[in-house]
Amino acid sequence: AIRMTQSPSSFSASIGDRVTITCRASQGISSYLAWYQQKPGKAPKLLIYAASTLESGVPSRFSGSGSGTDFTLTISSLQSEDFATYYCQQYYSYPRTFGQGTRLEIK
Amino acid sequence: EVRLLESGGGLVQPGGSLRLSCAASGFTFSNSAMGWVRQAPGQGLEWVSVMSGSGDNIYYTDSVKGRFTISRDNSENTVYLQMNSLRVEDTAVYYCAKDREVLGCSDYWGQGTLVTVSS
Repeated sequence: AIRMTQSPSSFSASIGDRVTITCRASQGISSYLAWYQQKPGKAPKLLIYAASTLESGVPSRFSGSGSGTDFTLTISSLQSEDFATYYCQQYYSYPRTFGQGTRLEIK
Repeated sequence: EVRLLESGGGLVQPGGSLRLSCAASGFTFSNSAMGWVRQAPGQGLEWVSVMSGSGDNIYYTDSVKGRFTISRDNSENTVYLQMNSLRVEDTAVYYCAKDREVLGCSDYWGQGTLVTVSS
């Protein structure tokens, strides 16, 4: 199975900060990479697919980049509603696998 | 509006069985791959299984192969997860999810149903 490693696992940031989360695949996955946001007690929400395509309805402050093995999720200016846990997922091969998650907390 | 509603979770003893259901609406169900993702208490997301719209393609994560079976009824717009030989480590919230495209990532998720495996 392809291993997905996110960094950092958690960190604190302030409203208005620019934030970047990284995700590394143990082997090449082309652009078959999605990012999800999950808030406590809620289902995950798709933010980005195909590494860099914004899902409909997702604010433009979210962006994704990368291909192959290295990917990033960037939030250009943090808003209060962005404090959550973020997961990357590869869907290049089975089993599909998630990163361990990055918990974003308010500083 | 896309809606996914899971049911069937509950408390079961180790070695027992449970069947989860996910009723879907708001999209052409037979054209969409459907799957299951689980989340153990306080842990991250774990992909479990997916079935294509026609039912021809089925995939599982290794830890559930031979114990879990995914199926669907396109006439009822429902996907199922039959879980047998349940283990304590299967305890989790199970989410039903719709694939965004043919066997792609998941664009819609249900609210989840809790499965607790304990004696």
